[in-house]
Amino acid sequence: DTGVSQNPRHKITKRGQNVTFRCDPISEHNRLYWYRQTLGQGPEFLTYFQNEAQLEKSRLLSDRFSAERPKGSFSTLEIQRTEQGDSAMYLCASSPDRGGLGYFGPGTRLTVT
Amino acid sequence: DQQVKQNSPSLSVQEGRISILNCDYTNSMFDYFLWYKKYPAEGPTFLISISSIKDKNEDGRFTVFLNKSAKHLSLHIVPSQPGDSAVYFCAASRTSGTYKYIFGTGTRLKVLA
Repeated sequence: DTGVSQNPRHKITKRGQNVTFRCDPISEHNRLYWYRQTLGQGPEFLTYFQNEAQLEKSRLLSDRFSAERPKGSFSTLEIQRTEQGDSAMYLCASSPDRGGLGYFGPGTRLTVT
Repeated sequence: DQQVKQNSPSLSVQEGRISILNCDYTNSMFDYFLWYKKYPAEGPTFLISISSIKDKNEDGRFTVFLNKSAKHLSLHIVPSQPGDSAVYFCAASRTSGTYKYIFGTGTRLKVLA
């Protein structure tokens, strides 16, 4: 078990382009979370999956954002028509059922130019 | 509305002395609290946690204290080591539903050799 992995680690894109990030959780973990961290702030909750079901979305997740977790394994987060305000570190975390400890991946740093 | 607050953005401590990091929360429904450590360009790493049924939890050099009436928790590191230099995030959660974490804005600890 190598922990939570995220790809890519860094992404630079031009405003208006679409980007997609991938998260591979710890294999036996049913719960998967996406967070976003901007400079000087703590991570902010974006969305939560229990297996393949997306059960909660933050109001931070605008219509340009979509997340999936097909088959309850890896997850993708897509941002359409990126804006400069989307520049942030996108963190994925997973935990076992019954809300055990959350393990974070290394994050994907997005820069929108 | 910042439900979890870390009012000290930074703290400097001499090696071997005690580091005390503070965190306040406003939501009385939180019943599980955690401290994460974060190095630059890495995801948060779990450090220590405490359930609301306890007022103290100790793990080696790290102790977390919880004062529910004051809605306050603190992390004590004794003795502090240069390798402890990082950003420390306090997080709070409810042990029901999504178990999502609400993070504070972090405290940057610098341990001086």
